Amino acid sequence: GEKVEQHESTLSVREGDSAVINCTYTDTASSYFPWYKQEAGKSLHFVIDIRSNVDRKQSQRLIVLLDKKAKRFSLHITATQPEDSAIYFCAASPDSNYQLIWGSGTKLIIKP
Amino acid sequence: AQTIHQWPVAEIKAVGSPLSLGCTIKGKSSPNLYWYWQATGGTLQQLFYSITVGQVESVVQLNLSASRPKDDQFILSTEKLLLSHSGFYLCAWSLDWGNEQYFGPGTRLTVL
Repeated sequence: GEKVEQHESTLSVREGDSAVINCTYTDTASSYFPWYKQEAGKSLHFVIDIRSNVDRKQSQRLIVLLDKKAKRFSLHITATQPEDSAIYFCAASPDSNYQLIWGSGTKLIIKP
Repeated sequence: AQTIHQWPVAEIKAVGSPLSLGCTIKGKSSPNLYWYWQATGGTLQQLFYSITVGQVESVVQLNLSASRPKDDQFILSTEKLLLSHSGFYLCAWSLDWGNEQYFGPGTRLTVL
Protein backbone atom coordinates (compact mmCIF):
# COMPACT_ATOMS: atom_id res chain seq x y z
CA GLY A 1 0.00 0.00 0.00
CA GLU A 2 0.84 3.65 -0.16
CA LYS A 3 3.48 5.06 2.18
CA VAL A 4 4.14 8.75 2.69
CA GLU A 5 7.41 9.97 4.14
CA GLN A 6 7.76 13.49 5.47
CA HIS A 7 11.42 14.32 5.58
CA GLU A 8 11.77 17.17 8.01
CA SER A 9 10.51 16.48 11.52
CA THR A 10 11.35 20.05 12.59
CA LEU A 11 12.10 23.11 10.51
CA SER A 12 13.18 26.44 11.92
CA VAL A 13 13.23 29.57 9.74
CA ARG A 14 13.56 33.26 10.37
CA GLU A 15 10.45 35.38 10.02
CA GLY A 16 10.19 36.68 6.47
CA ASP A 17 12.21 33.81 4.98
CA SER A 18 10.74 30.92 3.02
CA ALA A 19 10.08 27.45 4.42
CA VAL A 20 10.03 24.26 2.37
CA ILE A 21 8.58 20.96 3.58
CA ASN A 22 9.15 17.86 1.50
CA CYS A 23 7.19 14.61 1.20
CA THR A 24 7.65 11.50 -0.90
CA TYR A 25 5.14 8.78 -1.71
CA THR A 26 5.41 5.25 -3.05
CA ASP A 27 2.23 4.51 -4.99
CA THR A 28 2.24 5.78 -8.57
CA ALA A 29 -1.56 5.55 -8.53
CA SER A 30 -1.80 8.37 -5.97
CA SER A 31 -3.33 11.42 -7.54
CA TYR A 32 -4.47 13.71 -4.73
CA PHE A 33 -2.06 15.42 -2.33
CA PRO A 34 -3.42 17.70 0.40
CA TRP A 35 -1.60 19.60 3.13
CA TYR A 36 -3.02 20.32 6.57
CA LYS A 37 -1.88 22.46 9.48
CA GLN A 38 -2.26 21.66 13.17
CA GLU A 39 -1.60 24.21 15.88
CA ALA A 40 -0.57 22.94 19.30
CA GLY A 41 -3.34 20.95 20.98
CA LYS A 42 -5.84 21.74 18.27
CA SER A 43 -7.50 20.14 15.30
CA LEU A 44 -6.42 20.16 11.66
CA HIS A 45 -7.08 22.82 9.07
CA PHE A 46 -6.73 22.48 5.32
CA VAL A 47 -3.86 24.44 3.80
CA ILE A 48 -3.67 23.63 0.10
CA ASP A 49 -3.86 20.62 -2.20
CA ILE A 50 -2.69 19.53 -5.63
CA ARG A 51 -3.86 16.91 -8.08
CA SER A 52 -1.67 14.90 -10.38
CA ASN A 53 -2.86 16.68 -13.52
CA VAL A 54 -0.81 19.76 -12.57
CA ASP A 55 2.70 20.21 -11.18
CA ARG A 56 2.31 23.55 -9.43
CA LYS A 57 -0.40 25.34 -7.49
CA GLN A 58 -0.26 28.63 -5.62
CA SER A 59 -2.56 30.22 -3.10
CA GLN A 60 -1.25 33.55 -1.83
CA ARG A 61 1.98 32.76 0.11
CA LEU A 62 1.61 29.00 -0.34
CA ILE A 63 3.03 27.05 -3.28
CA VAL A 64 2.82 23.31 -3.69
CA LEU A 65 4.97 21.49 -6.24
CA LEU A 66 4.46 17.95 -7.50
CA ASP A 67 7.15 15.88 -9.22
CA LYS A 68 5.45 12.69 -10.37
CA LYS A 69 8.62 11.14 -11.74
CA ALA A 70 10.37 11.46 -8.39
CA LYS A 71 7.12 10.79 -6.47
CA ARG A 72 7.78 13.89 -4.45
CA PHE A 73 5.68 16.90 -3.46
CA SER A 74 6.58 19.93 -1.43
CA LEU A 75 4.98 22.85 0.37
CA HIS A 76 6.64 26.24 0.06
CA ILE A 77 5.61 28.99 2.45
CA THR A 78 6.98 32.36 1.38
CA ALA A 79 7.44 35.44 3.55
CA THR A 80 6.81 33.43 6.71
CA GLN A 81 4.94 35.00 9.60
CA PRO A 82 4.70 34.01 13.29
CA GLU A 83 1.21 32.58 12.73
CA ASP A 84 2.69 30.05 10.30
CA SER A 85 4.18 28.22 13.29
CA ALA A 86 2.42 24.85 13.51
CA ILE A 87 2.78 21.19 12.56
CA TYR A 88 2.22 20.61 8.86
CA PHE A 89 1.05 17.23 7.56
CA CYS A 90 1.18 16.02 3.99
CA ALA A 91 -1.01 13.23 2.70
CA ALA A 92 -1.54 11.22 -0.45
CA SER A 93 -4.38 9.22 -1.90
CA PRO A 94 -5.48 7.46 -5.00
CA ASP A 95 -8.72 9.11 -6.03
CA SER A 96 -10.72 5.95 -5.90
CA ASN A 97 -10.44 4.50 -2.44
CA TYR A 98 -11.48 7.26 -0.01
CA GLN A 99 -8.31 6.86 2.03
CA LEU A 100 -5.67 9.38 2.97
CA ILE A 101 -2.20 8.18 3.91
CA TRP A 102 -0.45 10.73 6.09
CA GLY A 103 3.11 11.83 6.61
CA SER A 104 4.50 12.06 10.12
CA GLY A 105 4.32 15.85 10.35
CA THR A 106 6.81 18.72 10.29
CA LYS A 107 6.97 21.17 13.16
CA LEU A 108 7.59 24.59 11.65
CA ILE A 109 9.11 27.17 13.98
CA ILE A 110 9.23 30.79 12.88
CA LYS A 111 11.99 32.68 14.68
CA PRO A 112 11.79 36.46 15.14
CA ALA B 1 -22.64 27.72 7.49
CA GLN B 2 -21.56 24.17 8.19
CA THR B 3 -20.52 23.21 11.69
CA ILE B 4 -19.01 20.03 13.07
CA HIS B 5 -19.24 19.02 16.69
CA GLN B 6 -17.58 16.19 18.53
CA TRP B 7 -18.44 14.83 21.93
CA PRO B 8 -17.16 14.43 24.52
CA VAL B 9 -14.26 16.89 24.50
CA ALA B 10 -12.18 14.51 26.60
CA GLU B 11 -12.57 11.15 28.29
CA ILE B 12 -10.60 9.18 30.84
CA LYS B 13 -11.60 5.52 30.74
CA ALA B 14 -10.42 2.25 32.23
CA VAL B 15 -8.97 -0.58 30.16
CA GLY B 16 -11.74 -3.00 29.28
CA SER B 17 -14.53 -0.44 29.53
CA PRO B 18 -16.80 0.49 26.60
CA LEU B 19 -16.52 3.71 24.61
CA SER B 20 -18.75 5.78 22.39
CA LEU B 21 -17.59 8.97 20.66
CA GLY B 22 -19.90 11.10 18.58
CA CYS B 23 -19.71 13.54 15.70
CA THR B 24 -22.46 15.71 14.22
CA ILE B 25 -22.34 17.82 11.08
CA LYS B 26 -24.88 20.58 10.64
CA GLY B 27 -25.62 22.55 7.52
CA LYS B 28 -24.52 20.02 4.91
CA SER B 29 -26.55 17.14 3.54
CA SER B 30 -25.01 13.82 2.51
CA PRO B 31 -21.40 14.63 3.35
CA ASN B 32 -18.61 12.08 3.23
CA LEU B 33 -17.58 11.38 6.83
CA TYR B 34 -14.27 10.19 8.25
CA TRP B 35 -12.79 9.09 11.58
CA TYR B 36 -9.10 9.56 12.30
CA TRP B 37 -6.88 8.63 15.23
CA GLN B 38 -3.76 10.54 16.23
CA ALA B 39 -1.31 9.20 18.78
CA THR B 40 0.11 11.87 21.06
CA GLY B 41 2.53 13.91 18.97
CA GLY B 42 2.12 11.46 16.12
CA THR B 43 0.81 11.07 12.65
CA LEU B 44 -2.78 10.46 11.67
CA GLN B 45 -4.34 7.15 10.87
CA GLN B 46 -7.64 7.02 9.03
CA LEU B 47 -9.98 4.58 10.76
CA PHE B 48 -13.29 4.66 8.87
CA TYR B 49 -15.13 6.46 6.13
CA SER B 50 -18.77 6.71 5.15
CA ILE B 51 -20.23 8.06 1.94
CA THR B 52 -23.87 7.46 2.80
CA VAL B 53 -26.07 6.85 5.82
CA GLY B 54 -25.97 3.28 7.08
CA GLN B 55 -22.75 2.42 5.21
CA VAL B 56 -19.35 2.53 6.88
CA GLU B 57 -16.07 1.16 5.57
CA SER B 58 -13.16 0.22 7.80
CA VAL B 59 -9.64 1.28 6.82
CA VAL B 60 -7.67 -0.37 9.64
CA GLN B 61 -8.51 -2.93 12.30
CA LEU B 62 -8.03 -1.43 15.73
CA ASN B 63 -10.82 -3.17 17.66
CA LEU B 64 -13.07 -0.20 16.97
CA SER B 65 -16.33 0.06 15.08
CA ALA B 66 -18.24 2.93 13.54
CA SER B 67 -21.80 3.61 12.51
CA ARG B 68 -23.69 6.31 10.68
CA PRO B 69 -27.24 6.12 12.04
CA LYS B 70 -28.28 9.45 10.51
CA ASP B 71 -27.02 11.49 7.60
CA ASP B 72 -25.42 14.02 9.94
CA GLN B 73 -24.15 11.68 12.68
CA PHE B 74 -21.07 9.46 12.91
CA ILE B 75 -20.38 7.29 15.95
CA LEU B 76 -17.13 5.55 16.94
CA SER B 77 -17.32 2.83 19.55
CA THR B 78 -15.80 -0.23 21.13
CA GLU B 79 -17.00 -2.64 23.77
CA LYS B 80 -13.56 -3.07 25.33
CA LEU B 81 -10.92 -0.37 25.44
CA LEU B 82 -7.19 -1.13 25.20
CA LEU B 83 -4.33 1.05 26.42
CA SER B 84 -3.36 1.53 22.77
CA HIS B 85 -6.66 3.32 22.11
CA SER B 86 -5.41 6.41 23.92
CA GLY B 87 -5.00 9.41 21.65
CA PHE B 88 -6.82 12.15 19.82
CA TYR B 89 -9.88 11.19 17.76
CA LEU B 90 -10.87 13.43 14.93
CA CYS B 91 -14.02 13.42 12.84
CA ALA B 92 -14.04 15.13 9.45
CA TRP B 93 -16.39 15.72 6.54
CA SER B 94 -16.00 16.60 2.89
CA LEU B 95 -18.29 17.34 -0.02
CA ASP B 96 -16.79 14.53 -2.03
CA TRP B 97 -13.59 12.54 -2.17
CA GLY B 98 -10.60 14.60 -3.27
CA ASN B 99 -11.97 17.75 -1.69
CA GLU B 100 -10.90 19.65 1.38
CA GLN B 101 -11.80 17.88 4.60
CA TYR B 102 -13.20 19.89 7.50
CA PHE B 103 -12.14 18.58 10.87
CA GLY B 104 -13.98 18.69 14.16
CA PRO B 105 -12.32 19.89 17.37
CA GLY B 106 -11.45 16.32 18.38
CA THR B 107 -11.88 14.13 21.47
CA ARG B 108 -8.88 13.40 23.65
CA LEU B 109 -9.07 9.88 25.06
CA THR B 110 -6.91 8.59 27.88
CA VAL B 111 -7.14 4.89 28.70
CA LEU B 112 -5.71 3.87 32.07
